[in-house]
Amino acid sequence: ILNVEQSPQSLHVQEGDSTNFTCSFPSSNFYALHWYRWETAKSPEALFVMTLNGDEKKKGRISATLNTKEGYSYLYIKGSQPEDSATYLCAFFSGGYQKVTFGTGTKLQVIP
Amino acid sequence: GAVVSQHPSRVICKSGTSVKIECRSLDFQATTMFWYRQFPKQSLMLMATSNEGSKATYEQGVEKDKFLINHASLTLSTLTVTSAHPEDSSFYICSAPDRGSEKLFFGSGTQLSVL
Repeated sequence: ILNVEQSPQSLHVQEGDSTNFTCSFPSSNFYALHWYRWETAKSPEALFVMTLNGDEKKKGRISATLNTKEGYSYLYIKGSQPEDSATYLCAFFSGGYQKVTFGTGTKLQVIP
Repeated sequence: GAVVSQHPSRVICKSGTSVKIECRSLDFQATTMFWYRQFPKQSLMLMATSNEGSKATYEQGVEKDKFLINHASLTLSTLTVTSAHPEDSSFYICSAPDRGSEKLFFGSGTQLSVL
């Protein structure tokens, strides 16, 4: 079983604050790293698919970076809004798309 | 974007009964479907991978006779929990990869409670 950890487990921020979370994963046999946003009672929704060391992706106020050599990815949210409240999951793929290990998620609550 | 419809969203059953969970891809063809289980406060754990027209591949420790997977068409994959017991109570969710972007499109999950 591969060790994929996310931190923090949960956090509360005020509307307008910027925040970031971490996903750490094994530095060997990397294939891809995905970030998903999972709102309560809905399906997880893909945010980013990252495959190359040094990748930086951006979607609106959300961005992510990837360091495959040291085994971590950061997700940043700039100017958090209440609608950003969700659990953010990272998924580590090793050796191909058939082998995936999910982190336990970071639960974000943005307080208006 | 692509949609995966999963039913039922919640099921409560008696011990010993079988429960079928369906995942349908509504606007794309899913040649592959991943099935996961999540226990409280734990991460999604891959149980098995189903491929249309062939046998499913199960992860280590997952009983194939207990969790029957069928992927008879390009738009439908089913997971049947046979002779369910209380320890099978969990959250089950499916996902299908998009061939182009390789993003996973998820169902909305099924909460199974076995009494």
